[in-house]
Amino acid sequence: KNQVEQSPQSLIILEGKNCTLQCNYTVSPFSNLRWYKQDTGRGPVSLTIMTFSENTKSNGRYTATLDADTKQSSLHITASQLSDSASYICVVKGQLSFGAGTTVTVRA
Amino acid sequence: DAGVTQSPTHLIKTRGQQVTLRCSPKSGHDTVSWYQQALGQGPQFIFQYYEEEERQRGNFPDRFSGHQFPNYSSELNVNALLLGDSALYLCASSLVVAADTQYFGPGTRLTVL
Repeated sequence: KNQVEQSPQSLIILEGKNCTLQCNYTVSPFSNLRWYKQDTGRGPVSLTIMTFSENTKSNGRYTATLDADTKQSSLHITASQLSDSASYICVVKGQLSFGAGTTVTVRA
Repeated sequence: DAGVTQSPTHLIKTRGQQVTLRCSPKSGHDTVSWYQQALGQGPQFIFQYYEEEERQRGNFPDRFSGHQFPNYSSELNVNALLLGDSALYLCASSLVVAADTQYFGPGTRLTVL
């Protein structure tokens, strides 16, 4: 069964701190993995996309990693800002599969 | 350049009723996909339209149907609404030749009472 598991379900961090979100998947065959940011009441916006051969991809303060052997990905947020408060969704394409998301709350 | 737009923003219906949600894709895009996102969950794929035909479908009953118009806009219809249909309905558009790159609309929040 194609599944995408994200952890933690939610987290709270102080402004300026770093955090790392995890995504484990069992989707096969694997085509690519995306991280989306979804602000409350808005549609998801793509942050990064990685294919099988890519280990890391950065987009500003967001850095995604991919280990295709262990089928794990992470999204690291550096020097968090209040605007980073959102849900972060991991999406794996082969059979398109969405994770449930991690809700990040950044507090001043 | 307009992004993906959806209407209405919010909708309240009662069980058994029917609802139609609308989506206009990003300018230049020809493919529209619909997703259902329950509270606290990731989006679930409903179906995808290209060239006015349903091309792919997720695990949703026939109560969920759609349509794509010649101008690439799309409608999602849900019949015989159930309480469990309450969710955020997202529309995403893309180019069929670049289907990996989807742009999401803001969604329609449907509440079934």
